Amino acid sequence: QVVLTQSPSASASLGASVNLTCTLSSGHSNYAIAWHQQPPEKGPRYLMNLNSDGSHNKGDGIPDRFSGSSSGAERYLIISSLQSEDEADYYCQTWGTGIRVFGGGTKLTVL
Amino acid sequence: EVQLVESGGDLVQPGGSLSLSCAASGFTVRHSFMSWVRQAPGKGLEWVAVLYVDGGAYYADSVKGRFTISRDNAKNTLYLRMNSLRPEDTAVYFCARHSVYFGSESYVEYWGQGTQVTVSS
Repeated sequence: QVVLTQSPSASASLGASVNLTCTLSSGHSNYAIAWHQQPPEKGPRYLMNLNSDGSHNKGDGIPDRFSGSSSGAERYLIISSLQSEDEADYYCQTWGTGIRVFGGGTKLTVL
Repeated sequence: EVQLVESGGDLVQPGGSLSLSCAASGFTVRHSFMSWVRQAPGKGLEWVAVLYVDGGAYYADSVKGRFTISRDNAKNTLYLRMNSLRPEDTAVYFCARHSVYFGSESYVEYWGQGTQVTVSS
């Protein structure tokens, strides 16, 4: 079974950059993932899907400040020029035959 | 524009039943892979059930035998029938549309805003 591991929390200053990490469990380092953003008291929003080679495709209207990269079993969401509205929970997701898994989420605080 | 609007959430007693609806617009539900995903208070996202284009349905072990996912093609609406509800089913329930990869479900591409289900006496 695939497991996605995320740090529970992260913080960065307004205008700075932050990398959020999603780690795939052993034996699953070639899986693609998707990143989702959930602002406080709102539903999630799809940000991008991210392949093992680092190629990614963003959803409609997602700003250029959001990008992704990959290294081995690690999948990164990179947010540059942080804005106050980026303060949210961020979830990764993966899929496959019979596989429908979310990471535990990272709460991002913008200082 | 793709839109998903959930409704039907309510306060229900343990052992009771409830039906959720997800009205879709901007696309055709019967041509899409559709899921219900829930979020318990203060917790993360948990996939609940998925309905395939061919009508096949799959469930999380925690709800198997109690929940049923279905769709009404004429109304372009997705449903979740929940029976034998337990306090641990308390959550916000989101409707979700998957993207398709080589003819099968992949990541969630669109989300609804959610509907609250509370199971308590």
